[in-house]
Amino acid sequence: KQEVTQIPAALSVPEGENLVLNCSFTDSAIYNLQWFRQDPGKGLTSLLLIQSSQREQTSGRLNASLDKSSGRSTLYIAASQPGDSATYLCAVTMRAGGTSYGKLTFGQGTILTVHP
Amino acid sequence: DAGVTQSPTHLIKTRGQQVTLRCSPKSGHDTVSWYQQALGQGPQFIFQYYEEEERQRGNFPDRFSGHQFPNYSSELNVNALLLGDSALYLCASSLVSAGEQYFGPGTRLTVT
Repeated sequence: KQEVTQIPAALSVPEGENLVLNCSFTDSAIYNLQWFRQDPGKGLTSLLLIQSSQREQTSGRLNASLDKSSGRSTLYIAASQPGDSATYLCAVTMRAGGTSYGKLTFGQGTILTVHP
Repeated sequence: DAGVTQSPTHLIKTRGQQVTLRCSPKSGHDTVSWYQQALGQGPQFIFQYYEEEERQRGNFPDRFSGHQFPNYSSELNVNALLLGDSALYLCASSLVSAGEQYFGPGTRLTVT
């Protein structure tokens, strides 16, 4: 059974700092990994999708890496801003043959607070 | 381009009642998945619908059922509500099951 763990559970940093969020998974037979952002009481916004064959993806100030063999992914946020404050969730889908059934298994999230 | 929409936004029900939640997928998407998110937890997979059939199911009792319509929209039904069913219910859509998933704003269900 796939299990996803996110460390730390919460993080508070001053504005402008670079930071790293960690995600680990127990079964390396993943199809892809997604990082999401969730504002309080709201739905999930997809930030980055990494296919199992890829090592990293970048979007603006965000960079996500994937090391499938060690079961780890990191989300790097450069020059953090108060508007980045939210819960960040990582989720994986499992491989089924050459594709995936698309069931996302989530970690519990990292609550990020960026203070001015 | 409309994203994933869900209705209602909030819902309060009494224990033992039944509830129906609705989801319209992002334009062009054909697969809908439902998730339950308890407070402070990550979302848990309930089930997925593709071509109007339940394709995969998580560890949820039969009280949870669903349906997908020919226009790809979907409903989640929960019977005999329990206090523990109180949660944020999220709908996600994708183009085929393996595609990137896009989430709606969720329906907050409170069972009293």
